[in-house]
Order: sequence, then C-alpha cells, then structure tokens
Amino acid sequence: GENVEQHPSTLSVQEGDSAVIKCTYSDSASNYFPWYKQELGKRPQLIIDIRSNVGEKKDQRIAVTLNKTAKHFSLHITETQPEDSAVYFCAAKVEYGGSQGNLIFGKGTKLSVKP
Amino acid sequence: ETGVTQTPRHLVMGMTNKKSLKCEQHLGHNAMYWYKQSAKKPLELMFVYNFKEQTENNSVPSRFSPECPNSSHLFLHLHTLQPEDSALYLCASSQPGERELFFGEGSRLTVL
Repeated sequence: GENVEQHPSTLSVQEGDSAVIKCTYSDSASNYFPWYKQELGKRPQLIIDIRSNVGEKKDQRIAVTLNKTAKHFSLHITETQPEDSAVYFCAAKVEYGGSQGNLIFGKGTKLSVKP
Repeated sequence: ETGVTQTPRHLVMGMTNKKSLKCEQHLGHNAMYWYKQSAKKPLELMFVYNFKEQTENNSVPSRFSPECPNSSHLFLHLHTLQPEDSALYLCASSQPGERELFFGEGSRLTVL
C-alpha cells in the first residue's frame, strides 16, 4: 500500500522568510496530492492540491511542486506570516476512472513563524 | 449549523466504559470517514462509509465499532479501550467523486 513520508517534523522560520515542506510517496500509481493545514485546536482544511499531470501549482503565497519520477512533492510558502503557523499535512491517493482510493497522510510538519 | 460537527469535543473514559462519538454533516455528502490522530503519527484512516455502506475497515480493533444510520450521521462506539487509544478522533465527509475532505474539529479521547 501507499506510504507517505514527510519532512521536517518541525520547522521554525522568521516572518517574511520562505518555508518548504517535503513529502515522498511510495505508490507510483498515486496521482493526487493535497496539502491540509491544521491550526491549533482546529480542523484540518485543504489549502492546495495538485494532480500528477502538472508539475507546479500556485495560489498566492503558496505553491506545490511535484516530481513524479522521484515520487516527491513539496509545499512552498513565501513571505511567511504568523498566521501561517500550523501543522501541515501532505497526502497522496490514487484516482482511477470514476472511483477514488483513500487519502494516505504524512505525519505532519509543525510550522512556527516568529514575528 | 453547516459543516461537520462532532460531539463530544472531549471525552475521558475508563477502560471498562462504553461510550460513543457522534459526527453529523450538513453538506449533503455521501461519504463519511473516521480518522485517528495521535501525536507524531500520520492521520490514520479507520473506517469509510459510502452511501451508508462500510467500504473500508483499516484493520481497526473490534473495540471500535462504527455505525452509519444515514448519510448525514456517523457514530464510533467505544468499549473496553486501552490507554494507547487516547487520541483525537476526526470525522470527515466528502462527495464521492470529489477530492476534498471536510473535517470536523475532532473528539479528544482520553482513556484512563
């Protein structure tokens, strides 16, 4: 089955700096890769996702890159702000035809942005 | 109330108790999930229901018993739990064929 590894487990940056979180996956059939953000005491929420037919996707200050050959994908946050402080989870799953597999999550990265 | 609602938010129980966690979604979704969130571990998928039918049981011990009476409600019945079962239990829903999971805020379970 799919296995998703996520690094680092904790990340501390200064406000305004960039943050990068990396994930690798094991199942080459996986073709959908979302990122969820969980603020302290709150629910995980989808912030960005990417499908395997593209290599990069951007949404304002966040971007995700995908390297299918190496089976890894990364989340990039630029110009970090204190409100970016949260736990970020990557995930992977296989989408096939009209059906979908289940999301397999990484262990999470606790990002702290210091003012 | 909209979204995914979980009750109770906090639960403390002894190893011999029987309790239940409840999840309700008002999004019109037909797929519901239970995840376990423990410190320093990935979100672990426990159960999946599609259109009230269980489609996934991820090797979960029988002391956890799910119930899905309709597409809007999902329960997790708990009995004779172990201290290592202490965790945040997250419910989620989605529309089959769509990608995004909508999570509840979780039920924090402590087993003494």
